[in-house]
Amino acid sequence: GIQVEQSPPDLILQEGANSTLRCNFSDSVNNLQWFHQNPWGQLINLFYIPSGTKQNGRLSATTVATERYSLLYISSSQTTDSGVYFCAVERGSGNTGKLIFGQGTTLQVKP
Amino acid sequence: KAGVTQTPRYLIKTRGQQVTLSCSPISGHRSVSWYQQTPGQGLQFLFEYFSETQRNKGNFPGRFSGRQFSNSRSEMNVSTLELGDSALYLCASRGRRYETQYFGPGTRLLVL
Repeated sequence: GIQVEQSPPDLILQEGANSTLRCNFSDSVNNLQWFHQNPWGQLINLFYIPSGTKQNGRLSATTVATERYSLLYISSSQTTDSGVYFCAVERGSGNTGKLIFGQGTTLQVKP
Repeated sequence: KAGVTQTPRYLIKTRGQQVTLSCSPISGHRSVSWYQQTPGQGLQFLFEYFSETQRNKGNFPGRFSGRQFSNSRSEMNVSTLELGDSALYLCASRGRRYETQYFGPGTRLLVL
C-alpha cells in the first residue's frame, strides 16, 4: 500500500522562528490534508491540498503531486502552534474515505 | 454549521465487554469514516459508511463493526474488548468524495 513519511519527527523552536514540515508519499493521491492535533486529541483541519499552494495566515502549504511531496510552512511560530502535525493522503477509487496518515511531526515552540 | 460530534467522550470498560460509540456528522454530510489512534500504531482507518452502506474497510478484526442510519449518524461497535483496544477513536465526515474530511473530538476508550 501507499507509504506516507513525515519529517522531521520532532522539532523544537523558539517563539518567532520559522519552520518547514515535509510529507513524502509513495504513489499518486486524490486527496492530501494537513492537520494539527490539539492537546485534547481533536484533529484540526489546516489545509486540503492535493496540489498547488495555499496560505492561511502564518501557515502555508505546497503540494507537488508529480514529485509526491507536500510541505507545510509555519512562520513566526507561537507557543499555541505546539502539538502534532499530521499529513494524510487518500488514494483513488476502491480506497475512498480512507485517509492514510503519516506518523506526525511533534512541534514544541518555546517562549 | 455544527461540527462533527462524538459520544461519549470517555469510556472505561473491562476486558470481554462490548462498547458502542456514536458519531453525528456535519449536517448534509453523508460519508462517515472511523479511525483508531494508538501510540504504537498511529492513526489507522477502520471503515467508511455512505448512505447506510459500508463502502470501505480497514484491516481490523471482525470484532470491530459499524453501521450508519438514514440520518447519516453512525455507530461503531467493538465486541469482546481486549486491552489493546484502548485508544482514541475518531470519526470524520465529508460532503463529497475526495473532499476535506472533518473530524470530531474523539472518544477515549480505556480497557482494563
